[in-house]
Amino acid sequence: SQTIHQWPATLVQPVGSPLSLECTVEGTSNPNLYWYRQAAGRGLQLLFYSVGIGQISSEVPQNLSASRPQDRQFILSSKKLLLSDSGFYLCAWSGQRRFETQYFGPGTRLLVL
Amino acid sequence: EDKVVQSPLSLVVHEGDTVTLNCSYEVTNFRSLLWYKQEKKAPTFLFMLTSSGIEKKSGRLSSILDKKELFSILNITATQTGDSAVYLCAVGGPNSGYALNFGKGTSLLVTP
Repeated sequence: SQTIHQWPATLVQPVGSPLSLECTVEGTSNPNLYWYRQAAGRGLQLLFYSVGIGQISSEVPQNLSASRPQDRQFILSSKKLLLSDSGFYLCAWSGQRRFETQYFGPGTRLLVL
Repeated sequence: EDKVVQSPLSLVVHEGDTVTLNCSYEVTNFRSLLWYKQEKKAPTFLFMLTSSGIEKKSGRLSSILDKKELFSILNITATQTGDSAVYLCAVGGPNSGYALNFGKGTSLLVTP
């Protein structure tokens, strides 16, 4: 069966510091991968998605970036964190066809101070 | 702009009650509607609905879609404290690309 991992689970970072969040998927090949952010009082917002190695699409302009160095690895990064980057970051995977069910990882709670 | 609106935003019920959660949407070229349950961490998948009028059922949970009136409901019968969670509705359609458009969720608290 498929499993999705994220780490770290919780992170407290100062403003201006860099960020690297990692997501890996097991038990499937060629998944679509997604990064979402969930801010307090707001719905889940898609940040990036990837349909293959090295292929990244950005949904929202911001100071974050994403990379997919391997088929089942998805990384969310920032060079300099802002206060507004605080939130709950969720990685998800789905099959290759569009509109398939997306399955979420356990999430990373990020607090920028 | 695509919209997904859930109601109520929050709900408190007693164990054993039946609840109905609502999700209305305005999505160009609708393809699917999904329900998720979110407790402390990751949303877990409940149902995917693509056709009107066909009820999906899993234990005490059921859901149905009305594509003419553009809404879905999620029913939970004989609620238990373990049903306490945020229930998220998400809609996908061609114009949203690969994104799922999520509503803000309904926070359900089931008291003993």
